[in-house]
Amino acid sequence: EAQVTQNPRYLITVTGKKLTVTCSQNMNHEYMSWYRQDPGLGLRQIYYSMNVEVTDKGDVPEGYKVSRKEKRNFPLILESPSPNQTSLYFCASSFGTSSYNEQFFGPGTRLTVL
Amino acid sequence: QQQVKQSPQSLIVQKGGIPIINCAYENTAFDYFPWYQQFPGKGPALLIAIRPDVSEKKEGRFTISFNKSAKQFSLHIMDSQPGDSATYFCAASMRSGSRLTFGEGTQLTVNP
Repeated sequence: EAQVTQNPRYLITVTGKKLTVTCSQNMNHEYMSWYRQDPGLGLRQIYYSMNVEVTDKGDVPEGYKVSRKEKRNFPLILESPSPNQTSLYFCASSFGTSSYNEQFFGPGTRLTVL
Repeated sequence: QQQVKQSPQSLIVQKGGIPIINCAYENTAFDYFPWYQQFPGKGPALLIAIRPDVSEKKEGRFTISFNKSAKQFSLHIMDSQPGDSATYFCAASMRSGSRLTFGEGTQLTVNP
């Protein structure tokens, strides 16, 4: 089944404890992206990647890191999480980098930073 | 700065009603306008999309109306059903890449 998977689905952590949220897609997509969803703010892009070893900042990159060493994986790293990073996170992928390509979203990771 | 503004924030209609969700954008370089539907506990999924060379696109009970001069577009759901209850996001992107800019979202409830 073609899909985007994220792990973990739920995570409660404490301020300053490094964490990684994994994202993997099995559709051989070039483009991958991370978003955070907050009430009243919609989905805001954190980082995106056009291909392996090519990443760039989105609209809200502060406090996050990413890497794209393999085409299928795009982990999101929070080196020193803070309470304002409590949010619902989505990974997405699409076939190409054209604006007309449908983005496929993972099921989400709900993160709480105490 | 929200480049795509969406309204209303929430909407309640009766079954069979026609909910309308509106979006406005500022950047004239946007050339692709998708709508995504999100059910509780799930990721958003593409519902319908339009490009600015047409003024309307219909897929089943869902219709996008697009007004290029006003920089506005809207989603209409005909004969709405309780199963349409979800959060709807409008979005926009530019020809230069797949980056999507989303609106704030509208939580739709269709009562039986």
